[in-house]
Amino acid sequence: SFDLTQPPSVSVSPGQTASITCSGDKLGDKFASWYQQKPGQSPVLVIYQDTKRPSGIPERFSGSNSGNTATLTISGAQAMDEADYFCQAWDSSTLYVFGPGTTVTVL
Amino acid sequence: EVQLVQSGAEVKKPGESLRISCKGSGYTFTTYWIAWVRQMPGKGLECVGIIFPGDSDTRYSPSFQGQVTISADKSINTAYLQWSSLKASDSAIYYCARHDSGAVRGVTYNWLDPWGQGTLVTVSS
Repeated sequence: SFDLTQPPSVSVSPGQTASITCSGDKLGDKFASWYQQKPGQSPVLVIYQDTKRPSGIPERFSGSNSGNTATLTISGAQAMDEADYFCQAWDSSTLYVFGPGTTVTVL
Repeated sequence: EVQLVQSGAEVKKPGESLRISCKGSGYTFTTYWIAWVRQMPGKGLECVGIIFPGDSDTRYSPSFQGQVTISADKSINTAYLQWSSLKASDSAIYYCARHDSGAVRGVTYNWLDPWGQGTLVTVSS
């Protein structure tokens, strides 16, 4: 089966840059998406097709994907960006594959 | 506005049956796949399966094959997730989400947007 790994947590100071990695075998040959989930809320898509931002998602969110690693970058992190972030890829046999999630703390 | 509205929280006993629903609006329901995703307490996201309401083509993640049934009624723009005999380990929040996709150089990309508000299922004796 295709598995994705993420660091459990990332801390960032307000206004600084946070990078969240997502690793999987030849992940760069697939496309990655990212979801933000705040406590008690449903996940929200923040990046799809590696680098694209849906309408309404701030420009400070960006994505990249190469080799075995996809990265979500939050440039100029704000307190409102505190949340869990899940990466996702597609596998034809297991369908949607999600990473275990990374908790971002802004302090 | 594209929306998915799910049915309310359920409390059931082990062995009971259950069907939860997800109603789509603001788009042509029959032309997008719908995914069901499980989130156990304090845990991550797991794909249960997907359905194409236009013809009810359904695919299950291997972990959930035979454990649940996904269906849809396109006449009322609603997808369903059901269990015939619940277990305590089925306790979780279940989300539905609209599946969208494309392809670049033969490689498929997929994403889920938007998501429903989630249905909390509690199974306890």
